[in-house]
Amino acid sequence: AAGVIQSPRHLIKEKRETATLKCYPIPRHDTVYWYQQGPGQDPQFLISFYEKMQSDKGSIPDRFSAQQFSDYHSELNMSSLELGDSALYFCASSFSGTASSPLHFGNGTRLTVT
Amino acid sequence: AQKVTQAQTEISVVEKEDVTLDCVYETRDTTYYLFWYKQPPSGELVFLIRRNSFDEQNEISGRYSWNFQKSTSSFNFTITASQVVDSAVYFCALSMVGYGQNFVFGPGTRLSVLP
Repeated sequence: AAGVIQSPRHLIKEKRETATLKCYPIPRHDTVYWYQQGPGQDPQFLISFYEKMQSDKGSIPDRFSAQQFSDYHSELNMSSLELGDSALYFCASSFSGTASSPLHFGNGTRLTVT
Repeated sequence: AQKVTQAQTEISVVEKEDVTLDCVYETRDTTYYLFWYKQPPSGELVFLIRRNSFDEQNEISGRYSWNFQKSTSSFNFTITASQVVDSAVYFCALSMVGYGQNFVFGPGTRLSVLP
């Protein structure tokens, strides 16, 4: 079965650079979520989109922005990168945005900021 | 406020042993969902199970089984005859409605299965 696709798998950036992470949800899933997982931590919710509109916002820094496009894929844009942004970034998708549908995660993008 | 506790930070077992991962949750809602995810060393998060608060029936899937007890607010996960490939961090999670700020992960339990 098709899963959530994230690209790139690995990304190395320098401080103050920008990065763009992409996410392609499972077909027919209308809700996309972004999570950040630091080393040894559980995933922390950043932001979500339902039908291309922002539906919820968590601990996303102002330096980050995201959007969901007409084909339901989403991009997380990260600017003025800091060393502390080094983490595993997950995209997840579900249908309808409620917990009545399981939440499936992509394989993650490992961002390293040097 | 909702909270998920996984008191076992790390567990080590020898292959073929049974192991139970504990999960205790807190919520004031009567409708909620509980989940388990597996994160192997490669890093991906693999969905294992979702259970709603009205279904206390235990579930078995191969070597995996889950024991949901509302009376003790627990949703424990047992692996029977563990294998080296079961080595991973396991997260228990709780959701009241959806998956944004209302979706709470526990801190995770790192399971090491030794050959």
